[in-house]
Amino acid sequence: AQSVAQPEDQVNVAEGNPLTVKCTYSVSGNPYLFWYVQYPNRGLQFLLKYITGDNLVKGSYGFEAEFNKSQTSFHLKKPSALVSDSALYFCAVRDDYGGSQGNLIFGKGTKLSVKP
Amino acid sequence: KAGVTQTPRYLIKTRGQQVTLSCSPISGHRSVSWYQQTPGQGLQFLFEYFSETQRNKGNFPGRFSGRQFSNSRSEMNVSTLELGDSALYLCASSLGVEQFFGPGTRLTVL
Repeated sequence: AQSVAQPEDQVNVAEGNPLTVKCTYSVSGNPYLFWYVQYPNRGLQFLLKYITGDNLVKGSYGFEAEFNKSQTSFHLKKPSALVSDSALYFCAVRDDYGGSQGNLIFGKGTKLSVKP
Repeated sequence: KAGVTQTPRYLIKTRGQQVTLSCSPISGHRSVSWYQQTPGQGLQFLFEYFSETQRNKGNFPGRFSGRQFSNSRSEMNVSTLELGDSALYLCASSLGVEQFFGPGTRLTVL
């Protein structure tokens, strides 16, 4: 079965420092991977996706993610964190099998807290 | 382009009642998916509609149902509400690979 894991419930970073939010995946074939962000009482905002090609994917708001096939990871990164980046971050993989084919399997989410 | 809209934003119901939630996708998007978000279970896929047909379904009981209209707007219905149905219900529309989410409907069951 396909799955996504976000090993950290919370990540704390000082403003201006680089941030990394971790994600590992388990799929049978080639993965379609996504990162979304959720602010309080809001829906999910799409940040970036990996389908094929360059392992470093650039997305919205200065975020990027590195696809690593050998480590089955898709970590989200930003060189310099902002207080406004504080939110809940979800990694997702597209489900390519069974009744939910084509839809998303989400990780549990990682709460990012950026302190001034 | 306007984003995905969901109505109502907040709902309070009591056990045993039924509820209908509405979702209007981004113009031109024909696929609409629904997800349930709870603190315990996280984000879980409910079902997907494409061109008025249910294309995929997640692992939820039959009390959860949906439909899609010819203008791609979608509704989901939950009958015989249970306390555990309290959640944020998110709708997403897509044209290709990525899904774009609405703000959600917060359902509270008392």
